[in-house]
Amino acid sequence: EVQLVQSGAEVKKPGESLKISCKGSGYSFTSYWIGWVRQMPGKGLEWMGIIYPGDSDTRYSPSFQGQVTISADKSISTAYLQWSSLKASDTAMYYCARHEYSSPFDYWGQGTLVTVSS
Amino acid sequence: EIVLTQSPGTLSLSPGERATLSCRASQSVSSSYLAWYQQKPGQAPRLLIYGASSRATGIPDRFSGSGSGTDFTLTISRLEPEDFAVYYCQQYGSSPPSSLTFGGGTKVEIK
Repeated sequence: EVQLVQSGAEVKKPGESLKISCKGSGYSFTSYWIGWVRQMPGKGLEWMGIIYPGDSDTRYSPSFQGQVTISADKSISTAYLQWSSLKASDTAMYYCARHEYSSPFDYWGQGTLVTVSS
Repeated sequence: EIVLTQSPGTLSLSPGERATLSCRASQSVSSSYLAWYQQKPGQAPRLLIYGASSRATGIPDRFSGSGSGTDFTLTISRLEPEDFAVYYCQQYGSSPPSSLTFGGGTKVEIK
């Protein structure tokens, strides 16, 4: 069974760093892209970027380029989304999802809620 | 980057009625690589339709997708109570993926 399991909710202060994770199982982790999607409170879905764990090829939405870093460790089938200095406006639910060329996001993680507040 | 515009923003209907949701792209979506997702409160999105018109595994046949080029439609033939949710369209298909943008969403609410 394909599963993407994300790390738990985080509460951070502005200026702090954070790295959240997404662990894949039940499929060949290195053969599919993993994308990250932001959903701010009460708002829609925003595509942030995507990584191919097989060779770490990474692409970012222009809106998120330079704001976050996406990485992956294929040895433990885990993708990451990280911030070096959080802002209150980073408060949101973050989802990871699996993607393959010519296929949409077919499996999703359960989401990680990030709250940034002083 | 392709921009997807969904309309209406909110659709107020009664159970048993037909729902028609629109997704318009700022430029042609290649090979009809257009998907629809359903999201209920507190849940991750769920894939409903891919390739503009193919239902994902386990999706009831009251859900159907149509369209090509820049205009796409999701139709729910007869709304069931569990269908009241927010629906998003998304374009995909470039290789390597460079833009996987979503539309702004349509909320289908009980009238």
